Amino acid sequence: EVQLVESGGGLVQPGRSLRLSCAASGFTFGDYAMHWVRQAPGKGLEWVSGMNYNRVDVGYAPAVKGRFTISRDHAKNSLYLHMNSLRVEDTAFYYCVRDMSPFTYGRTFDYWGQGTLVTVSS
Amino acid sequence: QSALTQPPSASGSPGQSVTISCTGTSRDIGGYKFVSWFQQHPGKAPKLIIYEGTKRPSGVPDRFSGAKSGNTASLTVSGLQADDEADYYCSSYGGSNWQVFGGGTKLTVL
Repeated sequence: EVQLVESGGGLVQPGRSLRLSCAASGFTFGDYAMHWVRQAPGKGLEWVSGMNYNRVDVGYAPAVKGRFTISRDHAKNSLYLHMNSLRVEDTAFYYCVRDMSPFTYGRTFDYWGQGTLVTVSS
Repeated sequence: QSALTQPPSASGSPGQSVTISCTGTSRDIGGYKFVSWFQQHPGKAPKLIIYEGTKRPSGVPDRFSGAKSGNTASLTVSGLQADDEADYYCSSYGGSNWQVFGGGTKLTVL
């Protein structure tokens, strides 16, 4: 069974940093592109960042480019999101999401974690 | 890159059909076949219900169907049931490793 479990969320002050983690299991993590998608409370979904299986293709939404960095560790079956210079508008649930097919990027998102809440406030 | 455009709300009575549109541009929906639809119930993670415009993942009822024409995609829910009441989001690959979502449509079953 595919499982994606996010961790690392919490309350952080504006301008500070935070690192989110996603522990993946139930599939060959190293074969799949992975993404982060966020959702502010009561708002819609927003794609944040994605990385393909071999780390060659990487994308960021304009709102986070230059502040957030996505990375992955195949030995640990883990995906990360390093978030710097956090802003109040970054407050959201952050979901770890799997791309549907191995060795592709951008096909669709077939498995979602339950999300971790990041609250940016002074 | 702008978000895809969806109507904020839609509604229908049980047993009826409802169609939700999703409008993009030639740089996203019109340029790629990777259009998806997601269903999200309150407090839950989104669930994939349509991918590549028209395909349904295993386990998704055939009451859900997708279509695409030019820069617009659509989701039709037939034979509306109470459990279909949820938020629905479209998404598309946008090139250059981008992904983009629609603003979401709240479907109410009257």
